[in-house]
Amino acid sequence: AQSVTQLGSHVSVSEGALVLLRCNYSSSVPPYLFWYVQYPNQGLQLLLKYTTGATLVKGINGFEAEFKKSETSFHLTKPSAHMSDAAEYFCAVSEGTALIFGKGTTLSVSS
Amino acid sequence: DTAVSQTPKYLVTQMGNDKSIKCEQNLGHDTMYWYKQDSKKFLKIMFSYNNKELIINETVPNRFSPKSPDKAHLNLHINSLELGDSAVYFCASSQARDTDTQYFGPGTRLTVL
Repeated sequence: AQSVTQLGSHVSVSEGALVLLRCNYSSSVPPYLFWYVQYPNQGLQLLLKYTTGATLVKGINGFEAEFKKSETSFHLTKPSAHMSDAAEYFCAVSEGTALIFGKGTTLSVSS
Repeated sequence: DTAVSQTPKYLVTQMGNDKSIKCEQNLGHDTMYWYKQDSKKFLKIMFSYNNKELIINETVPNRFSPKSPDKAHLNLHINSLELGDSAVYFCASSQARDTDTQYFGPGTRLTVL
């Protein structure tokens, strides 16, 4: 069975600072990886995904992630945090058509 | 125009009652899902339907029964509600391939008293 580990349940950054949210996966087959964001009291919205091809994936709102097979990682980054980035972030791997989610990372952004 | 909608948004009920949550998608997708998000925000797949047929049925109590009247709808019926059923339930839809993006509804917050 596949699994996802998100290191750090809570990350705090200052506005304008680098955002780094960590995700490691366990998969016996080439993984399809996703990052979703959940704003308070809302559903999940796709930030970006990796399926095949280029390992550096760009998403919405200035986020990007790099698939590193040797490290089994898919960390999410953003060069400069904005207050509006404060939310819950979920890394996920597909298993069949279902998504297996990590436990999520709460991102706080202070001014 | 809402892509994946759920009703109701909030549901407060007593233990032992039976309730249903409705989900509709207007994206023309083949596959629909139910996920449960617990109080620690952990998300877990419950069910998946493809073209009205059940394809994933994770280990959930048989008090939970999904029903798909057509490809655009996937409802969740819960019998004999228990305190532990309190959670946020999300419906989602996608095309059938495992690389496809899943689109989530806004969630239904179920509170069992």
